[in-house]
Amino acid sequence: DIQMTQSPSSLSASVGDRVTITCRASQNINIYLNWYQQKPGKAPKFLIYAASNLQSGVPSRFSGSGSGTDFTLTISSLQPEDFASYYCQQSYSTPLTFGGGTKVEIK
Amino acid sequence: QVQLVQSGAEVKKPGSSVKVSCKASGGTFTSYSISWVRQAPGQGLEWMGGIIPNFGPPKYAQKFQGRVTFSTDESTSTVYMDLSSLRSEDTAVYYCARDRHRSGYYGLEHWGQGTLVTVSS
Repeated sequence: DIQMTQSPSSLSASVGDRVTITCRASQNINIYLNWYQQKPGKAPKFLIYAASNLQSGVPSRFSGSGSGTDFTLTISSLQPEDFASYYCQQSYSTPLTFGGGTKVEIK
Repeated sequence: QVQLVQSGAEVKKPGSSVKVSCKASGGTFTSYSISWVRQAPGQGLEWMGGIIPNFGPPKYAQKFQGRVTFSTDESTSTVYMDLSSLRSEDTAVYYCARDRHRSGYYGLEHWGQGTLVTVSS
């Protein structure tokens, strides 16, 4: 199985900050990397697919980059509604696997 | 728009089984995979496996092999997840999610609201 490692596991940031979350795969997954946002008590929301493609309706302050084994999710200017947990997930092969998550909290 | 509606919360005894349903509407039912993902309290997301209606056998994560079964009812556009030999560690919210692309596992675009399964004696 492909292991996905996210860092940091949590971070504190202020509204307007630029935030970067990293995700590393245990092997080359090309660009088969997706990002999700999850708020407490809610289902995950699909943010980015194929490493850098913004899902329809997702604000442009979100962006993704990377290929191979190293990926990043960037929020260019953190908004109040962005405080949530974020997960990366590889779709290169089954079983699909998720990173451990990054909780973005208010500083 | 695609919508997935799951069955309600369940409380089960250890050793019993649970069956959770996921009814799809607003899109094509066949050819898109439906995955099952669970989340234990305070924990991350875990893929249990998936099924593509009318497109071959289900895929099960090794951890759940032999204990989980996915099935479909095309007449009602419903997918079912049956988990047996329940133990306390199976207490979690179970989600179904439909893929963004046909015929494979590319990204979980549409999600059900989740079903809390509590396993307790």
